[in-house]
Amino acid sequence: DIQMTQSPSSLSASVGDRVSITCRASQSIDSYLNWYQQEPGKAPKLLIYTASNLQRGVPSRFRASGSGAIYTLTIDSLQPEDFATYYCQQSFSTPLTFGGGTKVEI
Amino acid sequence: EVQLLESGGGLVQAGGSLRLSCAVSGFSFSSYAMHWVRQAPGKGLEWVSGINGGGGKTYYADSVKGRFTISRDTSKNTLYLQMSGLRAEDTAVYYCAKDSYLAILRNYFDSWGQGALVTVSS
Repeated sequence: DIQMTQSPSSLSASVGDRVSITCRASQSIDSYLNWYQQEPGKAPKLLIYTASNLQRGVPSRFRASGSGAIYTLTIDSLQPEDFATYYCQQSFSTPLTFGGGTKVEI
Repeated sequence: EVQLLESGGGLVQAGGSLRLSCAVSGFSFSSYAMHWVRQAPGKGLEWVSGINGGGGKTYYADSVKGRFTISRDTSKNTLYLQMSGLRAEDTAVYYCAKDSYLAILRNYFDSWGQGALVTVSS
């Protein structure tokens, strides 16, 4: 199974800050890496697919990059609605696996 | 508009069974793979099972293999998860999720239901 490790597990930031989250796979996943946002009490929402493609309707302050086994999600100019938990997920092989999550707090 | 609506959650004793349903609308159901993803209270997301668009290929996490069965009924536009031999560690919110393609690999979950809570009492 491919293990997905996110760091940090939580971070504190302010409105307007730039934050970055890293996701490391236990092996190369060939850019088959997706990012989701989950607000408390709500279902997850797709932000980025296949490493760097912005889902329709997602603000352009969200951007992502990476290749091989290391990927990064960056949020430029954090907004109040961005305080949530973020998960990476690999779709390279089954079982599909998620990272442990990164909680972005004020 | 894509809509996914889970039902069938509830309280069940350890060792018991439960069937979750996910009624979908707004897209061609048979053209997309579908998944179940769960989230234990206060924990992260865990993929449980997936099924391809045609329904002929199913996949499971090791934690549920042999106990859970995923299926789909195209005539009813509904995805199912039959759960048996339930354990306390199966307690979670169960989400159904639509895949972006017919097969389950190399894609992403582009729509999610609101979730159904399953509580297993020991």
